[in-house]
Amino acid sequence: DAGVIQSPRHEVTEMGQEVTLRCKPISGHNSLFWYRQTMMRGLELLIYFNNNVPIDDSGMPEDRFSAKMPNASFSTLKIQPSEPRDSAVYFCASSSQGLPSTDTQYFGPGTRLTVL
Amino acid sequence: AQTVTQSQPEMSVQEAETVTLSCTYDTSENNYYLFWYKQPPSRQMILVIRQEAYKQQNATENRFSVNFQKAAKSFSLKISDSQLGDTAMYFCAFMNAGNMLTFGGGTRLMVKP
Repeated sequence: DAGVIQSPRHEVTEMGQEVTLRCKPISGHNSLFWYRQTMMRGLELLIYFNNNVPIDDSGMPEDRFSAKMPNASFSTLKIQPSEPRDSAVYFCASSSQGLPSTDTQYFGPGTRLTVL
Repeated sequence: AQTVTQSQPEMSVQEAETVTLSCTYDTSENNYYLFWYKQPPSRQMILVIRQEAYKQQNATENRFSVNFQKAAKSFSLKISDSQLGDTAMYFCAFMNAGNMLTFGGGTRLMVKP
């Protein structure tokens, strides 16, 4: 079975440009998470969806960041306008909640974003 | 809010030896899950092992086992018969009832031949 799929794997852009990161969760999973990893702050949860509905977005750093999940098999994280301090690795993870021995989050390979 | 602390930024071990990575956490909740994830140089986050707080028995997965001390809020990872492929960053993580993960700062493990 395919795991969590993220695209692109690498993104280099210039300050002020719009960046869109994409995620396809594992089929059948009903929860999706976006994380950011930096050297300074480690791994941080940005936003969490359950059944396509945003449950907690308290980790979203500011209004420049937005996330959507239009259906169960696709989510986007958008940064507009991007800034150099947004440079990080962005992970998407998915899980299947409500069943015994589930709730484990499985991570995608990440997108390394560099904003010049 | 939950906090997860990994007090060992870096560790090394000889191939075939055993190493233990430490993790402590702070929470007021009674029902939760604990995880260890491995992040090799490829940066992929790979689940190593999970532990449900309501289970007294320590989880094991092949060469990986945990020592879960609920009262002490301690969750250490033991790697037996260390292999070169075990070289990676290891993250301890706490999941609350709201299904959100809080990660520790990580321990960089180097397995030496």
